[in-house]
Amino acid sequence: GAVVSQHPSWVICKSGTSVKIECRSLDFQATTMFWYRQFPKQSLMLMATSNEGSKATYEQGVEKDKFLINHASLTLSTLTVTSAHPEDSSFYICSKLRDLRAFFGQGTRLTVV
Amino acid sequence: RKEVEQDPGPFNVPEGATVAFNCTYSNSASQSFFWYRQDCRKEPKLLMSVYSSGNEDGRFTAQLNRASQYISLLIRDSKLSDSATYLCVVNERKTSYDKVIFGPGTSLSVIP
Repeated sequence: GAVVSQHPSWVICKSGTSVKIECRSLDFQATTMFWYRQFPKQSLMLMATSNEGSKATYEQGVEKDKFLINHASLTLSTLTVTSAHPEDSSFYICSKLRDLRAFFGQGTRLTVV
Repeated sequence: RKEVEQDPGPFNVPEGATVAFNCTYSNSASQSFFWYRQDCRKEPKLLMSVYSSGNEDGRFTAQLNRASQYISLLIRDSKLSDSATYLCVVNERKTSYDKVIFGPGTSLSVIP
């Protein structure tokens, strides 16, 4: 099946710092990558859709200046949480589609202290 | 109305029980349907696709009713390892991209 590699799997950072999360498509080129956030005991919420070579499409309520998405190549998409605050602590996960099926990275658990 | 809704749960059932999860979706143009399973602190994993004719995979049976915009998942002979959150997923094919919508999930705990 399709493989998505995401790292880091967990990160603890100080409030005010920035954190970059990477997602790599290992088996085929992914022109589109989806970024989700999941708070404890809540569902996956789509944050943005990352498109190779163009600007990401953000969902309503997601600050594009705070969550910077870069999709510079067909195999790599990155999400940078800028000036992170404790309320940004969450599980961030990327996914790509193949034949309409979603394949996920392993997820990144971010804790901002 | 939310795009995809599921039974709120949690479901606590004894081993060997049969449990059914329900899901409804709001967009009649939705094209593909899936059930995913998510274990605590892990990424979701595809459990099975859902076809209009209904499909079965071992102890799991999925049904789709397009007229009612309703999807179901039946688990027979529940095992302890079935404990997880089950996510109903609906895909919409837009003109230039695909949109994947997750339901809120239903938590299942299978008790010895």
